[in-house]
Amino acid sequence: DVKVTQSSRYLVKRTGEKVFLECVQDMDHENMFWYRQDPGLGLRLIYFSYDVKMKEKGDIPEGYSVSREKKERFSLILESASTNQTSMYLCASSLAGAVNEKLFFGSGTQLSVL
Amino acid sequence: QQQVKQSPQSLIVQKGGISIINCAYENTAFDYFPWYQQFPGKGPALLIAIRPDVSEKKEGRFTISFNKSAKQFSLHIMDSQPGDSATYFCAASIETSGSRLTFGEGTQLTVNP
Repeated sequence: DVKVTQSSRYLVKRTGEKVFLECVQDMDHENMFWYRQDPGLGLRLIYFSYDVKMKEKGDIPEGYSVSREKKERFSLILESASTNQTSMYLCASSLAGAVNEKLFFGSGTQLSVL
Repeated sequence: QQQVKQSPQSLIVQKGGISIINCAYENTAFDYFPWYQQFPGKGPALLIAIRPDVSEKKEGRFTISFNKSAKQFSLHIMDSQPGDSATYFCAASIETSGSRLTFGEGTQLTVNP
C-alpha cells in the first residue's frame, strides 16, 4: 500500500524557533507538495517540488522554505516560527508524467506555535 | 484570492438522504476537477474526478455534475450513510500544471443515523 509518512502528528514550538517538518514517501513519486489546512480556508499550497534539488513557490510561501535532497524526502522549514503559522500541515506526493496525477496525502502534522 | 469557492461550509443530512456540495471556479483554464474526502485524523484522499468534456460522472453513490458555462460543479451523494461523515474538498487544476491543485474551503458533512 502506498504511503506518505509525516514525522510528527503533533508539534508544539515557541515563537522564533526554527521548525522542521519532515515527509517521506515510499512510492518513488517525483512530485511532492506541502499544504497547510485551516478551517474555512481549505488547503493552501506552500511549496512543491518536481525533482530532487528542485523547488517551486506555491500560493503562500512567505515564512517558509523547503529542502529536497533525496527523492523520497521533502522537508518544510519554518525559519522563525510565528503564532500565525499555527496550523495543520499536510504533505502529499504524486507520480509525474501522467495526466492529472492523483495526490497521496500524509496524515498531517498539527503545529502549535506559542 | 480564492479561485475555487465551495459551499456550504457545513451540512447535516439524515441517513438515506441526498448530500449536495457545490463549487464555483474562476479560472477558465482549469480542466480537471477532483473531489477529495477527509476523515478525522487522516489526510484527504481522492474520491472522484471529472474533466470538462463530460457533464456528469457517477461512481457508485457519488456523482459529479459539471456546468462549464456557469463554471460550477457539484458533488451529489445519494443514499447518504453515517460512514460518509467527513470533510469534502473540491479542487481544480490545469492539465499541464503537474498536480498543482487549487482547493475549495471544504464542507464538513454529518450524516445522522
